[in-house]
Amino acid sequence: QTVVTQEPSFSVSPGGTVTLTCGLSSGSVSTTYYPSWYQQTPGQAPRTLIYSTNTRSSGVPDRFSGSILGNKAALTITGAQADDESDYYCVLYMGSGIWVFGGGTKLSVL
Amino acid sequence: QVQLQESGPGLVKPSQTLSLTCTVSGGSITGGSQYWSWIRQPAGKGLEWIGRIYLSGSTNYNPSLKSRVSISADTSKNQFSLKLSSVTAADTAVYYCARDHKWVGELLLPFDSWGPGTLVTVSS
Repeated sequence: QTVVTQEPSFSVSPGGTVTLTCGLSSGSVSTTYYPSWYQQTPGQAPRTLIYSTNTRSSGVPDRFSGSILGNKAALTITGAQADDESDYYCVLYMGSGIWVFGGGTKLSVL
Repeated sequence: QVQLQESGPGLVKPSQTLSLTCTVSGGSITGGSQYWSWIRQPAGKGLEWIGRIYLSGSTNYNPSLKSRVSISADTSKNQFSLKLSSVTAADTAVYYCARDHKWVGELLLPFDSWGPGTLVTVSS
């Protein structure tokens, strides 16, 4: 089964820029996988940030952006804030009705 | 925006069947895309998609769980349900129900609405 890969952890300074990625154990991520990104804080259900590669969900600040970088989907946070410290997950549509989540990235802002 | 709420036993014995129900309010499960999913998250670990139901009756399951999972729906009660058989401690997790996706024009928005999650512990 294909594995969706994410960096286990990342750190960014307040005000800095960070790019998290979402790849495949075999092959390249493209828009046909409809990559989407979620933010999750402890004890809460995930919140949608980005869907279909680069569309921000309602109410999401414009410091969050999505793209395809090389062979991966990417989530970029520009001007990181303290409350961006969370877990971030991507999900890809594999076709045939199957979704696969990445393992998640724990982002520290310090 | 629809609201979802999971319900079911919080403790299940090993080898038994885990059963959860998701009640949808603020809209009909027969509206929109009509696809509804279950997702789980063991403590301190990542999200795992379990499977989904389309209200025509078709289902799709995570291949790693397929032999043990069954998802069904009761449109008269605006609910859909999960059964996971032969559970072990590895099935201990917070279980979420979610709307599988909705279309925003030509864009696909997956898992736009989630329940708060319910913790299921597998232990004797």
